[in-house]
Amino acid sequence: QVQLQESGPGLVKPSQTLSLTCTVSGGSISSGGYYWSWIRQHPGKGLEWIGYIYYSGSTYYNPSLKSRVTISVDTSKNQFSLKLSSVTAADTAVYYCARTQTVGDWFDPWGQGTLVTVSS
Amino acid sequence: QSVLTQPPSVSAAPGQKVTISCSGSSSNIGNNYVSWYQQLPGTAPKLLIYENNKRPSGIPDRFSGSKSGTSATLGITGLQTGDEADYYCGTWDSSLSAGWVFGGGTKLTVL
Repeated sequence: QVQLQESGPGLVKPSQTLSLTCTVSGGSISSGGYYWSWIRQHPGKGLEWIGYIYYSGSTYYNPSLKSRVTISVDTSKNQFSLKLSSVTAADTAVYYCARTQTVGDWFDPWGQGTLVTVSS
Repeated sequence: QSVLTQPPSVSAAPGQKVTISCSGSSSNIGNNYVSWYQQLPGTAPKLLIYENNKRPSGIPDRFSGSKSGTSATLGITGLQTGDEADYYCGTWDSSLSAGWVFGGGTKLTVL
C-alpha cells in the first residue's frame, strides 16, 4: 500500500523559497502510471491544487501559482519536491502531497500534511 | 472564490440522509469526472467517491455520488456522528486556465 510523507521546514521567512519533499513508500515513482501532486490548504480554508509531476519530469501547474512554483522528482530517492519562491504570509498553509492516476483524475492516497508558516 | 460552489454547511440527525451539492460549469463538471473527499477534523482529506459515482475499496455504500449536467451531488445515508467532517468536491477544469479545481467545502454537522 502506497504511503506518502511530507517533510521540510515549518517556518519560512517572507521573500524566501519554501521547499518541501514528499517521500513515497510502498511503491516506486519510476514505475510510471501515476502523477505526483502537491495540494495546500490555508488555515481554516479550502483546498488548492498546486501542481503535478510525472516520473519523466513532465509537469502541470496551477496557473495562479505557475510563476513561483517548481515541482521536481528524484526517482533514485523515490521522492518528489515542491519549491515555491518569493513567499508571503498568504502562502502559510498545510501542504499535502498526493498521488493521482493521470492528469484530471482523483487524488488518492494523500500524505498527512505539513504546516508551513511564513513569518519573519 | 472557488470555481466549484458548495453550500458552506449542512446538518442532519443521526440515521438520517443528507446531500451535498457541487455546482460548476461546462468547462469543469460538465465535461469531466467529479471526485469527493472527506476531511475529518485535524486529518488529511480522504477519497470518498471518484469518477462521479464510484467508491474506493473500504468506503461504505452509505456514501454515493451522482452527476447531472454541470452539477454533482454527494449523498450520505444512515448518518453517524463519525461522519462529521468537511466534504470537498473536485474536478479538472478545461478552460484557458486549465487545472484541477476544488469546491469551497461543506461542513457536515450530525446533530
